[in-house]
Amino acid sequence: GAGVSQSPSNKVTEKGKDVELRCDPISGHTALYWYRQRLGQGLEFLIYFQGNSAPDKSGLPSDRFSAERTGESVSTLTIQRTQQEDSAVYLCASNVGTKDTQYFGPGTRLTVL
Amino acid sequence: SQQGEEDPQALSIQEGENATMNCSYKTSINNLQWYRQNSGRGLVHLILIRSNEREKHSGRLRVTLDTSKKSSSLLITASRAADTASYFCATDGGRGSTLGRLYFGRGTQLTVWP
Repeated sequence: GAGVSQSPSNKVTEKGKDVELRCDPISGHTALYWYRQRLGQGLEFLIYFQGNSAPDKSGLPSDRFSAERTGESVSTLTIQRTQQEDSAVYLCASNVGTKDTQYFGPGTRLTVL
Repeated sequence: SQQGEEDPQALSIQEGENATMNCSYKTSINNLQWYRQNSGRGLVHLILIRSNEREKHSGRLRVTLDTSKKSSSLLITASRAADTASYFCATDGGRGSTLGRLYFGRGTQLTVWP
């Protein structure tokens, strides 16, 4: 595809349920990033995948959060036993693994009731 | 924290006026970037300035970088209502930081009134 895509665009779930968010990076981009953005706040780094290297998980807020990536393609972010404080927009970005421009998807707006 | 911090948090101007947003950061950098975000969705890259550059232009955007003061500014000239958005600076954390990782500030919310 031409850009980073994310699905679903919106997700409403009940507290305690698990959710899976998906990110399709730009083809050929070896690096993939997940961020969380609470209402009116900046971007909070969650996790970073670079090629076949071990991911940088240092931003994951708790063990309820996990992410996987298949090779250099799709990534899924899973939040188990969701809490109301997990409500946020989850943004995915990709690039060629440098410190230059990151290309963002449109985000998934998660609402936990 | 390695994050950049934007100032002001909110800025409200009339169309045609110039808008200036500032960013301060704490660590050394290889480059600094500015992004724009509409309505809480995906960010769009605006401009990147490297640590050995002092000023860069792109259309109505002008970015300056002062590495001695660890600060940058984004100037939007002749603003339009369509410029209304949140603007974020992002730094790369310099040497020793994780390759590819960027550090974002909390953003400046710009509102341009017609």
